Amino acid sequence: KAGVTQTPRYLIKTRGQQVTLSCSPISGHRSVSWYQQTPGQGLQFLFEYFSETQRNKGNFPGRFSGRQFSNSRSEMNVSTLELGDSALYLCASSWDASTYNEQFFGPGTRLTVL
Amino acid sequence: AQSVAQPEDQVNVAEGNPLTVKCTYSVSGNPYLFWYVQYPNRGLQFLLKYITGDNLVKGSYGFEAEFNKSQTSFHLKKPSALVSDSALYFCAVRDDNQGGKLIFGQGTELSVKP
Repeated sequence: KAGVTQTPRYLIKTRGQQVTLSCSPISGHRSVSWYQQTPGQGLQFLFEYFSETQRNKGNFPGRFSGRQFSNSRSEMNVSTLELGDSALYLCASSWDASTYNEQFFGPGTRLTVL
Repeated sequence: AQSVAQPEDQVNVAEGNPLTVKCTYSVSGNPYLFWYVQYPNRGLQFLLKYITGDNLVKGSYGFEAEFNKSQTSFHLKKPSALVSDSALYFCAVRDDNQGGKLIFGQGTELSVKP
């Protein structure tokens, strides 16, 4: 089975722009979560989607949004980019939204905001 | 609130020696604990998890972890370290009320020298 794929892998944007990141989960997985990784804050949970519904949301401003499609693919959007949004954005998928199941991570999208 | 602490930013071990990477947690409900490893410029790879049952959990690449409820710890161990084990290790926790959301520790950089 193919793993979690994320596109693009690298992205450079300027302040004020918006960006959309894409994630394709492992085939058959219906739950997708997003995390932001920075040297200062570490790994922080952004949101979780299951069956096209947002089940959980982290403590991020409304500029960060996401969605999930009927084929379980997910996108996240960041509007009005700030320098502090520079980070590695990781997508993770799991079979369902159960507490017991491990998540499988993609390679990430490295976003740089200039 | 949930939290995870990895008290050591870095652990240095000689190849062939046993290694331990420490993790303590705090949750309001039952803990579900995970270890992940991250190699440079890669996403996170799942190593092992504790859900219930035996306190000693065996995982990938010869790693194991010991769950200790009284000490609220979940230390990662390996009997004989390899140079290729050098990477960034993350402990993560969920509780009953958070669905798929993972709370991560700050990470521990493991360096194994020949």
